[in-house]
Amino acid sequence: DSGVTQTPKHLITATGQRVTLRCSPRSGDLSVYWYQQSLDQGLQFLIQYYNGEERAKGNILERFSAQQFPDLHSELNLSSLELGDSALYFCASSVVENSNYGYTFGSGTRLTVV
Amino acid sequence: GENVEQHPSTLSVQEGDSAVIKCTYSDSASNYFPWYKQELGKGPQLIIDIRSNVGEKKDQRIAVTLNKTAKHFSLHITETQPEDSAVYFCAPYRAGYSSASKIIFGSGTRLSIRP
Repeated sequence: DSGVTQTPKHLITATGQRVTLRCSPRSGDLSVYWYQQSLDQGLQFLIQYYNGEERAKGNILERFSAQQFPDLHSELNLSSLELGDSALYFCASSVVENSNYGYTFGSGTRLTVV
Repeated sequence: GENVEQHPSTLSVQEGDSAVIKCTYSDSASNYFPWYKQELGKGPQLIIDIRSNVGEKKDQRIAVTLNKTAKHFSLHITETQPEDSAVYFCAPYRAGYSSASKIIFGSGTRLSIRP
């Protein structure tokens, strides 16, 4: 157990629907990062939060949004889902942004859009 | 950070032999150089890292070497074992400052250990 908790582990939904992925960072970590990993692909950076504030954005689609709450957990909202959104979504956390101790990843949420 | 390239994309080695994966980056301000291992069905896990004031770091069978002048660093695995089969990612960036940055991961190297 890495200390980063992601729920749900698996999600199957239909095209056009909306889902919410949840991440609880490791205790004491203030920064949360979201990554998308499609089949046999690398880790694509989506968005980063630090202590409730959005800090950096990658190639995140307009249909996707996220937030970090006062208790530091984060949610990634995916709407108007398309087949191509099927992927593994990882959350990672670190004590501070740009930490020189690296990231701790959760075990991911596998999203299947049918 | 910025542009990160990883080579090779796939690597197959005989059990007991050594494996080397190279990561090249473009941002000369990068000062933190980690390697992550992702096993099937799991999230990436930090396995070793190096900071720019050090040229080499070793932890049992794994080591990382850094060439800041040439802007590349490498992961070395010696005496490979079946459990080393995984995808390995590098993610260099500038650590220790407050501005946000989009930390970019390399495209990954799929390492297979042949029995």
